[in-house]
Amino acid sequence: NAGVTQTPKFQVLKTGQSMTLQCAQDMNHNSMYWYRQDPGMGLRLIYYSASEGTTDKGEVPNGYNVSRLNKREFSLRLESAAPSQTSVYFCASSEVISNQPQHFGDGTRLSIL
Amino acid sequence: SQQGEEDPQALSIQEGENATMNCSYKTSINNLQWYRQNSGRGLVHLILIRSNEREKHSGRLRVTLDTSKKSSSLLITASRAADTASYFCATDRNTNAGKSTFGDGTTLTVKP
Repeated sequence: NAGVTQTPKFQVLKTGQSMTLQCAQDMNHNSMYWYRQDPGMGLRLIYYSASEGTTDKGEVPNGYNVSRLNKREFSLRLESAAPSQTSVYFCASSEVISNQPQHFGDGTRLSIL
Repeated sequence: SQQGEEDPQALSIQEGENATMNCSYKTSINNLQWYRQNSGRGLVHLILIRSNEREKHSGRLRVTLDTSKKSSSLLITASRAADTASYFCATDRNTNAGKSTFGDGTTLTVKP
């Protein structure tokens, strides 16, 4: 049982380039999330999707877009990467939006030069 | 500002000792969760405690919640080298469904 799978695991971009981070879960969860984690810090919520067909902004949405492609997949897009977006990105899922544990992928380590 | 703040930032103990880490938060919550993160990996859920609960156990883990003090503690008993990790608390507030707020974590090192 894979759980939450993120691709790619590592990526280096140049300033201004665009890319999409992929996330898929196989637990039939309704809710999915994207976080970023900067060194020595906790997670900050970028966007989340309470259910298929809905997305909402989190704490730090600027510079990002998301797509809830179907119940399994939730992608995060950087349209024009900036060095400040260098971080580790985590995708998570939960059965429903509230009062449920979240299950995390192992992250995408993104460096923007 | 962060809703959840862990204390201490770092903790180093010998194998077999108990480890206690604390989490404080600012506003009313629905629940509080503790997660573990091993180096280079994603977070793993440990325990969820609801606002009407005071204590929960899971194996060697004990979590307490004091809503009057807006604080929680995570106790790991008889620690092992494999417990070396960062531990985070996350709070869910009544008015922000889906927006769990994570603290900056406590880094625990258990020396063999």
